[in-house]
Amino acid sequence: NAGVTQTPKFQVLKTGQSMTLQCAQDMNHEYMSWYRQDPGMGLRLIHYSVGAGITDQGEVPNGYNVSRSTTEDFPLRLLSAAPSQTSVYFCASSSLNEQFFGPGTRLTVL
Amino acid sequence: DAKTTQPPSMDCAEGRAANLPCNHSTISGNEYVYWYRQIHSQGPQYIIHGLKNNETNEMASLIITEDRKSSTLILPHATLRDTAVYYCLPRETSYDKVIFGPGTSLSVIP
Repeated sequence: NAGVTQTPKFQVLKTGQSMTLQCAQDMNHEYMSWYRQDPGMGLRLIHYSVGAGITDQGEVPNGYNVSRSTTEDFPLRLLSAAPSQTSVYFCASSSLNEQFFGPGTRLTVL
Repeated sequence: DAKTTQPPSMDCAEGRAANLPCNHSTISGNEYVYWYRQIHSQGPQYIIHGLKNNETNEMASLIITEDRKSSTLILPHATLRDTAVYYCLPRETSYDKVIFGPGTSLSVIP
């Protein structure tokens, strides 16, 4: 099992550009989520999904969209990147008792 | 959501036991105590969780006080690879929308 995979590992965007961060899991988990982590801070929940076709907002959803067309994939879209979205983004996939995190995407918005 | 208090940083000598405390005085009866750690630049990693009994696995032991208002994560023989930020989280399941706080930064010193 690959677990949770994220692409790309690094990305630099200019203000106003859009992009999609990819996340996939091969554990057949229904629950997936996206977090962002700013320097010296804990993780903040952006969006989450309890199954294909179902998504909901977390603590800091503004500026981000998600969709969940399959159980395996949960992409995060930045519609118009802003410098405030410079951060490390982690995708996670959960069984009932364990939460598995991907390796992260380090995003810089200039 | 229950709030937690953890010391911001701790040091531990290599080979000694590392005891990381967490105060969760507002934990509800249905919430487990989960512990995760995050090694620099990596995604968080699940360590252990418990409800009211002490728990042990290959990574660590978890001691929960009888009133469940606090807990201690014990790494019995800390190694340099245990240097990480450790997060304590009360949650009912891994599906819960919890916020990861700043955690405790543990430095294992040779």
